[in-house]
Amino acid sequence: GENVEQHPSTLSVQEGDSAVIKCTYSDSASNYFPWYKQELGKRPQLIIDIRSNVGEKKDQRIAVTLNKTAKHFSLHITETQPEDSAVYFCAASRGGATNKLIFGTGTLLAVQP
Amino acid sequence: SAVISQKPSRDICQRGTSLTIQCQVDSQVTMMFWYRQQPGQSLTLIATANQGSEATYESGFVIDKFPISRPNLTFSTLTVSNMSPEDSSIYLCSVDNGATEAFFGQGTRLTVV
Repeated sequence: GENVEQHPSTLSVQEGDSAVIKCTYSDSASNYFPWYKQELGKRPQLIIDIRSNVGEKKDQRIAVTLNKTAKHFSLHITETQPEDSAVYFCAASRGGATNKLIFGTGTLLAVQP
Repeated sequence: SAVISQKPSRDICQRGTSLTIQCQVDSQVTMMFWYRQQPGQSLTLIATANQGSEATYESGFVIDKFPISRPNLTFSTLTVSNMSPEDSSIYLCSVDNGATEAFFGQGTRLTVV
């Protein structure tokens, strides 16, 4: 089955710096890669996703890149702000958003003011 | 977007007892999933709740321990049976919106004493 690895487990940056979180997946049939942000005590919220027919997607300060050959994808947050502090999870799925998600282990991002 | 109501939001239960968690969606959805998030950990898929048939369980999860019902396209229940302290987790239901995004309920925080 699918296995998703995520690095780093913790990341501390200064406000205004960039943050990068990387994930690798094992199932070459996976075609949907979302990123979720989970604040303490709250449910995971989708922040950005990418499908296998696209190499990069950007939404304001957040971007995701996908390398299908190497089976890895990354989340990039620019101009970080204290409110970006949260746990971020990557995930992979075979059948798009309508299929089960296999999650990475999570990254605790701390943005220092 | 789908609005998900999950009940109860939290509970403290005695070991050996069972708890049933409800997930109600405001619209018909094809796919419903149940995840477990152990303290400080990532989300692990328990099972896919299939409407009109038995749930599909992931490796390491069995029907006797986590019976699931899905009587229609807007409702599902997950029962955690014969609980032990190791079952203390957050349990989340998840649904898709038909094509583009998976949404999560607010979760049920279960503590077994």
